[in-house]
Amino acid sequence: GESVGLHLPTLSVQEGDNSIINCAYSNSASDYFIWYKQESGKGPQFIIDIRSNMDKRQGQRVTVLLNKTVKHLSLQIAATQPGDSAVYFCAEATGGYQKVTFGTGTKLQVIP
Amino acid sequence: DAGVTQSPTHLIKTRGQQVTLRCSPKSGHDTVSWYQQALGQGPQFIFQYYEEEERQRGNFPDRFSGHQFPNYSSELNVNALLLGDSALYLCASSPATGINEKLFFGSGTQLSVL
Repeated sequence: GESVGLHLPTLSVQEGDNSIINCAYSNSASDYFIWYKQESGKGPQFIIDIRSNMDKRQGQRVTVLLNKTVKHLSLQIAATQPGDSAVYFCAEATGGYQKVTFGTGTKLQVIP
Repeated sequence: DAGVTQSPTHLIKTRGQQVTLRCSPKSGHDTVSWYQQALGQGPQFIFQYYEEEERQRGNFPDRFSGHQFPNYSSELNVNALLLGDSALYLCASSPATGINEKLFFGSGTQLSVL
C-alpha cells in the first residue's frame, strides 16, 4: 500500500545553521508532494509543495527537492530560527482528489 | 478571515459511547476532509466530503461516519467508541476547484476515550 516515511525522527540544529529533513516515499504513482509543519497544539500548516514534473522548488527560506528515481523528498530550511522548532511531515497525494498520505514526522529542535 | 474552526477542543468519553465533532471550513472552501492523528504519528485520512456527499474514504470502519451541510460545515461521528479511538481529530478544508489544492487544517479536537 501507500506509505511515506522519514529517516530521522529527531533533528537538532544550531540556530542560524541550515536544516535538512529527509523523506522516502513508496508509491511511484504519487504526483504531488507536500511538506507540513505542526507546532504543539496546532494542526499541520502548509509549508511548500512540489509536483512530480519538477525536481526543485524554492520558497522563503525553504527549498524542496524531489528525486523520483530513488523516491526521495527533502526539505531544506535556511538559517534555521527558534520559531522553526516543530514537527515536520512530508506527505503525498495522487490524482485529482485530495487524500493526502502523511509520514510519521521529524521533530526539529533548534538550539539557541 | 476565520480559518478552519473545530469544536470542541477537548472531549472525554467512555468506551461504547458515541461522539460528534464539528468543523467549519475556511471561508470560500467547500471541501472538508477529516484526519485522525494518534500521538507521535502523522495524520491518517478518514474521509472527504464535497457537495454534501462522501467523495473518498480511508481505511476506517463504518463506526466512523460523517455529514456535510449546505453551508459546507461538517460533522464527524464515531459510534461504539474504543480506547484506540483516542486521538487528535483534524479537519481540513480546501476549495474544490483545481487539483490538489493546499489543505488548511484546524487545530483539532483532542478525544480521550476512557
